[in-house]
Amino acid sequence: GDSVTQMEGPVTLSEEAFLTINCTYTATGYPSLFWYVQYPGEGLQLLLKATKADDKGSNKGFEATYRKETTSFHLEKGSVQVSDSAVYFCALSNFGNEKLTFGTGTRLTIIP
Amino acid sequence: NAGVTQTPKFQVLKTGQSMTLQCAQDMNHEYMSWYRQDPGMGLRLIHYSVGAGITDQGEVPNGYNVSRSTTEDFPLRLLSAAPSQTSVYFCASSPTSGGTDTQYFGPGTRLTVL
Repeated sequence: GDSVTQMEGPVTLSEEAFLTINCTYTATGYPSLFWYVQYPGEGLQLLLKATKADDKGSNKGFEATYRKETTSFHLEKGSVQVSDSAVYFCALSNFGNEKLTFGTGTRLTIIP
Repeated sequence: NAGVTQTPKFQVLKTGQSMTLQCAQDMNHEYMSWYRQDPGMGLRLIHYSVGAGITDQGEVPNGYNVSRSTTEDFPLRLLSAAPSQTSVYFCASSPTSGGTDTQYFGPGTRLTVL
């Protein structure tokens, strides 16, 4: 079945540091890939997505590129802020498969 | 738009009690789903619905029932609560069940079963 493996946390960085959170997947066909973010005490919200190979999703300074050859969708940000502290989930959805498959989440803490 | 709303925010039950977690959305979305979130396990799908009157099981359906009598509402029923059902529950909706759609999540219900 489909699966998502993402970088174990927690991750702690200083403000303005470069961020990478690794995500790889296993799936048949051509899934869509997502990053969701969960701020403390809130539900998940979409951060960015990519629906086909070589697409780049971007939002709020975060970027991720759909790499079919390496089955990866790594999340990056050039300069993190304290407000980026949250839990980040990588997820995939196969067309016709009426659910998301989530990774286990990576807790990110940014210190001033 | 209120988006996806869930009630209650917190609930404590005793083993064997039953209860219903409420979920509503005002975006006229066809697709709604329930997830549970447990530490180190990400989110797991409990049940989902592709439209009013249609529901199906997800990955971890045992101990839960759902119904979808209207487009807006998708309640989750715990028939006889067990400590293993202690978790945070999220309801989500999307315009369709297509794989490219963004899912919109509610704020969650934190359930403790003693």
